[in-house]
Amino acid sequence: EAQVTQNPRYLITVTGKKLTVTCSQNMNHEYMSWYRQDPGLGLRQIYYSMNVEVTDKGDVPEGYKVSRKEKRNFPLILESPSPNQTSLYFCASSYYRDRVYEQYFGPGTRLTVT
Amino acid sequence: LAKTTQPISMDSYEGQEVNITCSHNNIATNDYITWYQQFPSQGPRFIIQGYKTKVTNEVASLFIPADRKSSTLSLPRVSLSDTAVYYCLVGDFIPRDNYGQNFVFGPGTRLSVLP
Repeated sequence: EAQVTQNPRYLITVTGKKLTVTCSQNMNHEYMSWYRQDPGLGLRQIYYSMNVEVTDKGDVPEGYKVSRKEKRNFPLILESPSPNQTSLYFCASSYYRDRVYEQYFGPGTRLTVT
Repeated sequence: LAKTTQPISMDSYEGQEVNITCSHNNIATNDYITWYQQFPSQGPRFIIQGYKTKVTNEVASLFIPADRKSSTLSLPRVSLSDTAVYYCLVGDFIPRDNYGQNFVFGPGTRLSVLP
């Protein structure tokens, strides 16, 4: 089954404790992204990746890091989480074919930083 | 990306056709229009994408007038399970070498389908 998986799905942590949210896709897509969703603000892109070892900042990259060492994986790293990073996080992978660009989103990771 | 404006919310009844309009006055020549659907606590799901005139697939139709400054997502005969938030995105989605893809989802339209 074609899918994007994220782990963990739920996480409660404390300020300053480094964490990683994993994202994996099995569709051989080149493009991957991370978003955060907050009430009243919609989805905002954090980082995106055009291919292995190619990443760039989205709208809200501060406090986050990413890496793309393999095509299928795109982990999101919070080196020193703060309460304002409490949010619902989505990973997406995407493809472009026949003049259509479609993103597939993961199930989300709900992060609480206390 | 072109800025988009959608109604914040809409109500409908089961079996009705629902039309959600998105305004994008500063759409660029290379921009496409894409709609996503999101259920609570789930990631958005691609519905449809178009450039001009009309596009139809198994779940929806997308109407784009000649000036392309707006677009309308049409959902035929909605059911309770169509209750969701619908997002309109406008942008040049074609990936190019070293060209970033910065997508912005606005607040969307919250559609409530009533029995």
